[in-house]
Amino acid sequence: NAGVTQTPKFQVLKTGQSMTLQCAQDMNHEYMSWYRQDPGMGLRLIHYSVGAGITDQGEVPNGYNVSRSTTEDFPLRLLSAAPSQTSVYFCASSSPPIGEKLFFGSGTQLSVL
Amino acid sequence: SQQGEEDPQALSIQEGENATMNCSYKTSINNLQWYRQNSGRGLVHLILIRSNEREKHSGRLRVTLDTSKKSSSLLITASRAADTASYFCATDAGSNYQLIWGAGTKLIIKP
Repeated sequence: NAGVTQTPKFQVLKTGQSMTLQCAQDMNHEYMSWYRQDPGMGLRLIHYSVGAGITDQGEVPNGYNVSRSTTEDFPLRLLSAAPSQTSVYFCASSSPPIGEKLFFGSGTQLSVL
Repeated sequence: SQQGEEDPQALSIQEGENATMNCSYKTSINNLQWYRQNSGRGLVHLILIRSNEREKHSGRLRVTLDTSKKSSSLLITASRAADTASYFCATDAGSNYQLIWGAGTKLIIKP
C-alpha cells in the first residue's frame, strides 16, 4: 500500500495563478483532510471530508476549494494564489473513529511569489 | 485558534538520555494524540490517550494525561539519534472532527 500520496512535492506560483494539489489514499479511508503548516505554528485545518460527496470547512478555508468525488481522491484547489498562501500543505486521512490516528502524506511545499 | 501548546519549543539532549515534552490545552477534550515529524516529512502518529486514561505506554514512549491541569506529557526513554524530530500534540474536543494542534517541540539527540 502506498498510503497517502501527494503531488507535486514542490510548486512555485505567481500571484493570481491557480493550481490544484492532488491527494490520493489507497486505504479506503472515509475521512480526508487538508492542513497547512507554517513556521512556529501548529497545523491548521483548511477543509475536510467525511465521505464522497461531503466536504466542510476547517479553520482557514478562504482562498481554497475542495471536492470529493471518490473515496480515494481529495484535491485542493487554490483559486487565485496569494503570497500568504506560501506554506507546506499536508493531506491526511483516517478510518473511523474519524480523526483518530491520522495518516499523512509527505507534503507539498508551495511558494507564491 | 491554537488549543495545544508544547513546552519546551526546543530540546537538545545526549543520546541515551530521556526526553520529556509537555502539551497544555484549553478546553475539555475527548482524546489527545502525539505525532512525530522528521525534517521535510509528513507527520506520523505515535500514540493516542483518551480523556478517561491517565497513562499509556508504547515501546519507549510513555504518555500521561492530567485532565484537571489540562496537560499531557510525552516521555521518550533511552533516546536515539533517530528520535531527532519535531513532536506535536493534537486534541480532539469533539468539534466537527477538527483536531487542534500545538506548535511542536523540536527534539535534537546529540551523539
